[in-house]
Amino acid sequence: DVKVTQSSRYLVKRTGEKVFLECVQDMDHENMFWYRQDPGLGLRLIYFSYDVKMKEKGDIPEGYSVSREKKERFSLILESASTNQTSMYLCASSPGGTSGYNEQFFGPGTRLTVL
Amino acid sequence: AQTVTQSQPEMSVQEAETVTLSCTYDTSESNYYLFWYKQPPSRQMILVIRQEAYKQQNATENRFSVNFQKAAKSFSLKISDSQLGDTAMYFCAFMITYGNKLVFGAGTILRVKS
Repeated sequence: DVKVTQSSRYLVKRTGEKVFLECVQDMDHENMFWYRQDPGLGLRLIYFSYDVKMKEKGDIPEGYSVSREKKERFSLILESASTNQTSMYLCASSPGGTSGYNEQFFGPGTRLTVL
Repeated sequence: AQTVTQSQPEMSVQEAETVTLSCTYDTSESNYYLFWYKQPPSRQMILVIRQEAYKQQNATENRFSVNFQKAAKSFSLKISDSQLGDTAMYFCAFMITYGNKLVFGAGTILRVKS
C-alpha cells in the first residue's frame, strides 16, 4: 500500500513564526503535491514538485514556499505565518510516467492554527 | 481553466437507501478524467471511482456508480445501499489526460443515518 505521512496532525503557531510542514511518501513517486483545504472552497493546489529540486506553483502559492531535497520528502514552508493561513493542509503523491492518468494518494492532513 | 462545481453542501440519507451526489464541470479539453474522492471524518482522502471521458460506459465500483453526461458536463455519484461508513465529505475532481494536477469541487458532506 502507498503510504503518505505528514509530520503533525495538529499544529498551533503564532503570527510571524516560520512554519515547516513535512510530508514523506514511501512508493518512490515522482510527483508530490501540497493542497490547502477550506470549507466551501474544496482543495486548492499550493505547489507541486515533479522531481527532486523541481517545483511548480499551483493556484495559491502566495505566502508559501516548498523544498524537495530528496525524492520521498516534500516540505511546505510558511515563511511568516499569518492568521489567514489557518487551514487544513494535505499532502499527496503520484507516480510519474507517460500513462494518461496518475492516481494521487493523500496523507492524513495537518490542521494548522495560526494565533 | 477548468472548474468543478458541487451544488449540494450537505446531504443526508437513511441507511440502506440510495443517494446521488451532483457535480458539474467546465472545460474546453476533450480528453480528461473525472473522479470522486471520499474523505471520512478521520481525514485520509481515498479515491472512490474514476471515469475516463472517452469511455461512454459509466464506471461502477461495487455500491458506487456514476452517471457521466459528457455533453452536459455532468458527473454524478450514486451510492446504493448506503452504510454508516459512507458518512464522509465527497469531492468531485477533474484532471486532463497526461496531466498531473487535480481540480476539486467544494465538496458535499454526506451523513448516513441509522
